[in-house]
Amino acid sequence: GAVVSQHPSWVICKSGTSVKIECRSLDFQATTMFWYRQFPKQSLMLMATSNEGSKATYEQGVEKDKFLINHASLTLSTLTVTSAHPEDSSFYICSAPGSYSPASQFGYTFGSGTRLTVV
Amino acid sequence: RKEVEQDPGPFNVPEGATVAFNCTYSNSASQSFFWYRQDCRKEPKLLMSVYSSGNEDGRFTAQLNRASQYISLLIRDSKLSDSATYLCVVNTGNTGGFKTIFGAGTRLFVKA
Repeated sequence: GAVVSQHPSWVICKSGTSVKIECRSLDFQATTMFWYRQFPKQSLMLMATSNEGSKATYEQGVEKDKFLINHASLTLSTLTVTSAHPEDSSFYICSAPGSYSPASQFGYTFGSGTRLTVV
Repeated sequence: RKEVEQDPGPFNVPEGATVAFNCTYSNSASQSFFWYRQDCRKEPKLLMSVYSSGNEDGRFTAQLNRASQYISLLIRDSKLSDSATYLCVVNTGNTGGFKTIFGAGTRLFVKA
């Protein structure tokens, strides 16, 4: 089945540094990748939608310059948290629509998530 | 009003019990519906899609009521391993552009 590989699984960084998170679709081409953030005991919140070869679409309230998204190929999307602060500490997860049909029928394949802690 | 609402629980049930989760959505144009399971500190995993005719997968039964904009998940003969958070997911749109909303999840604890 469709697999999305996400790295790193966890990262601890100092305040002010940047962190890059990668999501790769291993056995299918993901023209679209969704990036979510989840704070403890809260729902997944969509941050942005990345589209291969074009600019990402950001949800309201998400800073484009802080969360840089690049979708340079059909199998790789990256999220870079720039100048990270402790309040950016969260669980970041990517997902792609099912590989064999629109998401409307078969749901999404999620990466394993990245737990970011900014100290 | 939230676009997708779930009872947060937690539901504490003994092994073997039957438990039902409910979910309501506000957008009548929503097209597809799913239940996901999320274990602590893990990514969500698709449990089952929800069809208008209702569908069953082993001990799990999902139902959709479009008129009431209501989705349900029934778990029979609960196992300890069913303990998790169950997320209701609603899609609106099509491949040209769709929006996915996750409910906040319902936490289930199954105890021996």
